[in-house]
Amino acid sequence: GAVVSQHPSWVICKSGTSVKIECRSLDFQATTMFWYRQFPKQSLMLMATSNEGSKATYEQGVEKDKFLINHASLTLSTLTVTSAHPEDSSFYICSAGDRLNTEAFFGQGTRLTVV
Amino acid sequence: DQQVKQNSPSLSVQEGRISILNCDYTNSMFDYFLWYKKYPAEGPTFLISISSIKDKNEDGRFTVFLNKSAKHLSLHIVPSQPGDSAVYFCAANAGGTSYGKLTFGQGTILTVHP
Repeated sequence: GAVVSQHPSWVICKSGTSVKIECRSLDFQATTMFWYRQFPKQSLMLMATSNEGSKATYEQGVEKDKFLINHASLTLSTLTVTSAHPEDSSFYICSAGDRLNTEAFFGQGTRLTVV
Repeated sequence: DQQVKQNSPSLSVQEGRISILNCDYTNSMFDYFLWYKKYPAEGPTFLISISSIKDKNEDGRFTVFLNKSAKHLSLHIVPSQPGDSAVYFCAANAGGTSYGKLTFGQGTILTVHP
């Protein structure tokens, strides 16, 4: 299957700082990427949908000014957690697909810990 | 509102026996269902899927059954192997494929004992 690479796999940052997470589709062009968040022992919850060249669509309850999403190219989407707080500590996962595929492929996830 | 539910947080099975993981959904618009396997600190890995036009799909040791009238699906793993131990998520989509916004269940931790 297609490969989606997410970087970094884990990051620790101080409260108040910003963290950028990258999601790359390595062998296909991803017109759409999805960002999910998973709290411990809970489900994966969709945060936002990013389309190449346009603004992301955020799910209800997700602060768009806090979770900045950029999808500047067909192979890269970034999620920036701004002014991070300990409650933002979570596991963030991206998935990518294009309309030629019948499957969305997931990255390996990023464990964010805010101290 | 949990539209996809996995009511069993965990399941323990002996190696060689059958593992049955269950999933219920409430949204009638869902027409494509998937099962993912996930290890801690890793992204989900796709296992098997089923469209709402089918009631069964089989891939090797994995079979997914869909009962639309009951809004219920299940994943059967036969025979179970210790390497199957992981968290299993069911997911649903209203777009007819896995492409799009997936709604996940809470997951079931499967432990297969040697």
